[in-house]
Order: sequence, then structure tokens, then C-alpha cells
Amino acid sequence: AQSVSQHNHHVILSEAASLELGCNYSYGGTVNLFWYVQYPGQHLQLLLKYFSGDPLVKGIKGFEAEFIKSKFSFNLRKPSVQWSDTAEYFCAVNANYGGSQGNLIFGKGTKLSVKP
Amino acid sequence: EAQVTQNPRYLITVTGKKLTVTCSQNMNHEYMSWYRQDPGLGLRQIYYSMNVEVTDKGDVPEGYKVSRKEKRNFPLILESPSPNQTSLYFCASSLSGTSGSIFYNEQFFGPGTRLTVL
Repeated sequence: AQSVSQHNHHVILSEAASLELGCNYSYGGTVNLFWYVQYPGQHLQLLLKYFSGDPLVKGIKGFEAEFIKSKFSFNLRKPSVQWSDTAEYFCAVNANYGGSQGNLIFGKGTKLSVKP
Repeated sequence: EAQVTQNPRYLITVTGKKLTVTCSQNMNHEYMSWYRQDPGLGLRQIYYSMNVEVTDKGDVPEGYKVSRKEKRNFPLILESPSPNQTSLYFCASSLSGTSGSIFYNEQFFGPGTRLTVL
């Protein structure tokens, strides 16, 4: 069965620090990869996605992620975080093959707290 | 405005009393899905629907039912709710499809329904 691992449960950073959140998945076939953000009390919003092509994906609000197929990883990065980035971040994967394309698997989430 | 709406947003009920949480989208999306979010567990998919009259189980379907009689609506039904179904529920929709060998599925989420079963 597919699974998604997010390495850090809670990350605390100061403003202007660089961010990298880890995401690994277990599935050997072709996948679609996503990062979603959930601000306190709000619903999930898509930060960025990877379907195919350039493995370095740029998203909204200065976030980017790199798909490394050999490492089954899709880590999220931001060079300089702001207090407004305080939120919970979820990595998600769905297998790109017939029969299970609709089954989207989420990681357990990483809470990011940015100190002003 | 393109959106996914859920009703009710908050619901407190008692064990065994049937309830329905509605989900509607106005984007003509084929794909819709239900998730529950629990602390420390992230989001887990309950059911999804690739199109009208087509539904499939996700990872945690026990205790839930869904139907997809029309494209815009995808209600979640709890026939006999139990306290372990106390959770935050999200509906999502997407314009999924296939381009060459690539299946794309970018989901848009509703605002959530906080359900408490006593």
C-alpha cells in the first residue's frame, strides 16, 4: 500500500530562516505529488504540484519543491520564511495508474511555527 | 465564485442518529472526494467519486456511505454515527483527466465540517 512520510511533526523557525520540510513516499510507479497548506482554522490550499516534466516545481508564496525519483522524495523549500507562513503543511501522493488514480494519500502533516 | 461548499459547518449529534453532510461544487468537476482530519493522523480519504454514479472506497470507508447522483453533489452519510467518527470532515473536487500517460488531479477543498458525536 502507498504511504507518505513527513519527517518533522513540528518545526519552529525565526523569520528569514530557510525552510525545508521532508516528504517521502512509498510507491514504485508513476506518481503525482502535492503540497498543501492549512492556515489556522482554514481549509487546505494547494501550494504546488508535480505531474511530470521539470522536477523542480515552483508554487505560490515563494515555495518550491524538488522531486527526486531515486529517493522517493518531494521536499518543500522556502529560502526565507515569514511569520505569515505559520501553518500546517501536508504532502500528498496519488498513484498515476488505472484503478487507484483517485486515491490520494496524505502525510500526517508538519506544523510550522515562525517566530517574529 | 468557484467553490466547494459544505453544510453544515458544525454539527453536534448523538450516537446512532443518522446524519448527512452535503457537499456541492460549482466548477463542473468530475472528481469529488471526502476526507476526515484527525490530530496526528493528517487527512485520510473516506470515499471518492471519479464521475456520476461511480464511487470507490478510500482508506477509511467503514461507517460511511456516499452517493453521486449528479455531478455537483456528493453527500456523506453516516447511518449510525459513533463517537469515533468525531472529526473534521473535508470535501474536495477536481477537474481530473488524462493527458497522454499522465493522470492529473488537482483537488480544491471545501471549508470543512466539524462533527461531534456524543
